[in-house]
Amino acid sequence: RKEVEQDPGPFNVPEGATVAFNCTYSNSASQSFFWYRQDCRKEPKLLMSVYSSGNEDGRFTAQLNRASQYISLLIRDSKLSDSATYLCVVRGAAGNKLTFGGGTRVLVKP
Amino acid sequence: GAGVSQSPSNKVTEKGKDVELRCDPISGHTALYWYRQSLGQGLEFLIYFQGNSAPDKSGLPSDRFSAERTGGSVSTLTIQRTQQEDSAVYLCASSPTLLAGRTDTQYFGPGTRLTVL
Repeated sequence: RKEVEQDPGPFNVPEGATVAFNCTYSNSASQSFFWYRQDCRKEPKLLMSVYSSGNEDGRFTAQLNRASQYISLLIRDSKLSDSATYLCVVRGAAGNKLTFGGGTRVLVKP
Repeated sequence: GAGVSQSPSNKVTEKGKDVELRCDPISGHTALYWYRQSLGQGLEFLIYFQGNSAPDKSGLPSDRFSAERTGGSVSTLTIQRTQQEDSAVYLCASSPTLLAGRTDTQYFGPGTRLTVL
């Protein structure tokens, strides 16, 4: 089993709709969680950190469920510019090494 | 300010040749990571440097891969006797260290696209 798993998609989303997807992690001792965004043929960039209480940044909402070992990302009022691959990232209990999921591809269409 | 830079941006080489990829992290960042990403795939961790500590080499796929970081700044990833399966984008990231000794957000360079013919 991979340490961090994501549905590769693609999620085809009408413009203005809401889309949500999850990421599961295998190490229950994982300490920090992040969502990164990667545009085609570009480097990943931090979208948001994920806090235990859940957090929101504009149209983006991230949730952490430690009991079930998953994090989620919800995008409201999707824009064409939201089309990208969303990478789930987990920091383990020891050290600073980050483990990346394979990414979930989102395609927002007019 | 200047971000993470990598060179070359593209490298085409013949099977069996050695290649060196360079990463210049953001000034002051103590942590430096190398990843590789094959077409349509996720990021594969290769190696991690943190200050003067021994690097975490657990992700290096074979002994043909090595990396060094000189003076706590610039890093070079070397691939010896390249194989076609080494073809990928090699990404470098750097990160500042927080007061608690933990690293924070990773800032990625644009990557080096390696093609082994």
